[in-house]
Amino acid sequence: DAGVTQSPTHLIKTRGQHVTLRCSPISGHKSVSWYQQVLGQGPQFIFQYYEKEERGRGNFPDRFSARQFPNYSSELNVNALLLGDSALYLCASSASRQAFSYEQYFGPGTRLTVT
Amino acid sequence: AQSVAQPEDQVNVAEGNPLTVKCTYSVSGNPYLFWYVQYPNRGLQFLLKYITGDNLVKGSYGFEAEFNKSQTSFHLKKPSALVSDSALYFCAVTPGTYKYIFGTGTRLKVLA
Repeated sequence: DAGVTQSPTHLIKTRGQHVTLRCSPISGHKSVSWYQQVLGQGPQFIFQYYEKEERGRGNFPDRFSARQFPNYSSELNVNALLLGDSALYLCASSASRQAFSYEQYFGPGTRLTVT
Repeated sequence: AQSVAQPEDQVNVAEGNPLTVKCTYSVSGNPYLFWYVQYPNRGLQFLLKYITGDNLVKGSYGFEAEFNKSQTSFHLKKPSALVSDSALYFCAVTPGTYKYIFGTGTRLKVLA
C-alpha cells in the first residue's frame, strides 16, 4: 500500500504570492493533519481534519487555510507568503478521529522556499 | 503551558553501546506520549507510543521507552546502538486532544 503522498516535493515562491500544497492519506485513513517544520525545530501543528471537517487549529494566522475532500485528500493554502513561511510542510494521516491515541503516518513533506 | 523538552541537541554513542535520548513533558491531565524518527529528506516515522498501562513500552527497530510519571519523563532507549540508528529523534505529547506537541529534536550519531 502507498504511504502518505505529498505534492509538490519542492516549491519556490515570492513574497506576497499564494501557495497550495496537496496531500493524499493512506487508504482508509480519514484524519489528516498538517504541520510546519522550520529548520532546526520540531513540527508545529497547523490543522487537523476529519471527515472533511476542521477538528483543530494551531497558532497560525488566517493566511493559512485548509480543506479536506470527499476522498480524504487535503490541501493546505497559504496566502500573502512571508519569508518566515519558508519551511518543510508535513502532512500526516491517522486511522482515527482520535489522532491523539493513534500514531500518525507522515508524508515526505513539501519544502517551501519563499524569496 | 503544555510543552515537551529534549534537553540534548545531539547525542553521540559508539556502535554496540546502549543509547538514551531524553524527553520530559509538561501537560495537564494524562499524557499520550510518542517517539518519532526522521531521516534526511524524509517525513517522520513512528517508533512507539505510551497511552496507558505498562511503563516500559517496546517499539520498532529494538527501541523502547520508559514512562516515569513522577519525573514527567519518557526517555527513549536501545540496548545496543547501530550506525543505521543515526537520525533525528522527536518526542511528542498530546493531552488527549487533536494537537500534537513536538520537542525540538535530538540528533543521534552512532559512531562505528
